Formats: sequence, C-alpha cells, structure tokens
Amino acid sequence: AQTVTQSQPEMSVQEAETVTLSCTYDTSENNYYLFWYKQPPSRQMILVIRQEAYKQQNATENRFSVNFQKAAKSFSLKISDSQLGDTAMYFCAFSPNFGNEKLTFGTGTRLTIIP
Amino acid sequence: ETGVTQSPTHLIKTRGQQVTLRCSSQSGHNTVSWYQQALGQGPQFIFQYYREEENGRGNFPPRFSGLQFPNYSSELNVNALELDDSALYLCASSFSDRFGVHTFGSGTRLTVV
Repeated sequence: AQTVTQSQPEMSVQEAETVTLSCTYDTSENNYYLFWYKQPPSRQMILVIRQEAYKQQNATENRFSVNFQKAAKSFSLKISDSQLGDTAMYFCAFSPNFGNEKLTFGTGTRLTIIP
Repeated sequence: ETGVTQSPTHLIKTRGQQVTLRCSSQSGHNTVSWYQQALGQGPQFIFQYYREEENGRGNFPPRFSGLQFPNYSSELNVNALELDDSALYLCASSFSDRFGVHTFGSGTRLTVV
C-alpha cells in the first residue's frame, strides 16, 4: 500500500514571496505519478501539477514547480511570486501507473498568502 | 467543457437512513471516481467506475455502492447511514489518456445526525 505524508499542516507567506510545501511518500512501485492538487474554499479540487516518476526532469507550470527526488521519495512544491489567489489547501497525491487511477492523498497543507 | 457537477450541495440525514448523491461527469470523460473527505483530512478513495463497471474499490463497506450510466453520469448510494459517514463527498471524472488527471466537482456536504 502507498502512503503520502505532508508534515506541514499550515503555512503562511507574504504576497510575492516564494514558498515550498513538502511531501514524502512510500511505495514499492517503480512507475507512478505524483500530483499536487489545490482545494480553495469553493471545495473543488484543482490540479496544480503532475510528475511522471520515470522522468528525471522536474515538472513546471508557470509559477509552480516541483523538486522530485525519487530515491528519497520526496516531492515538494515551490510556488514563486505567490498571489492572494494561491490561498488554499494543498494536497500531495500518488497514483500507480497501472490499474485504476486511484489517487492516494496526504492530509494537506493549509497555505495562507498574506497581503 | 461543462465540468463536473454534483447534487445536492448540502444534505442532512438521520442515522440509519439511506442517501443518493449524484454526479454529472465532464463531457468526453469515461471514468468516474468517488472520494470521501472527512473534516481536516485528505480525500479517501471509495470506488471508481469505467464504462459502467466498477474498476476498483477502496476500504469502504458494501453499504457504499455506486452506478455509472451510459451518459457517464454517476450515483453514490450509502445505506444505513452512520454518524462517521458525515463528510464531503467528491466526484471526479477523467479520461484514460491522462492517467490520474481528475476533474473534480465541488462536492456534497453530508451531515448525519
């Protein structure tokens, strides 16, 4: 079974600053996907970024980038030039690269961007 | 894109009752998954349907059941409600060409009293 751990329940940062959210996971699989999903107060989960485990290159999406360390089973999210709209719960998630697309989520990090 | 819509948005039920939650998948998506999110927790996988067949189930008892219809809409049914069933229930649809990329609805908040 896979587990996903987010050790930072809450974080806050000033607008325009950079913040990094941490995530570690445990799996015996070699091929899998990792994700960061964002859940604003509207409750709708929104995909932020996706990383394929077999790719060495870290994924980037505009202001969002990841630091994927496969050997250490670490997958952190960096948000650059943070904006007020980034305030939300952020969940790290894992999915094996076979079978159904079940996502295993961490417990989340509540991020607050301070004006 | 129409997105994923869920109904109702909020619901209050009494312990022992039955409830049906509904989900309309994003246009073109053939897979639907249901998740339970307890307060302060990450979502937990309940089950997934692909082309109207159950395609995986999480650690939930048989009183949690589901359906997927030919138009890819879906229902989650919970029988014999318990207080611990109080949670946000999220529906997510996806298409098999982008593994793990889900489009989520805004959820149904179920309160069992």
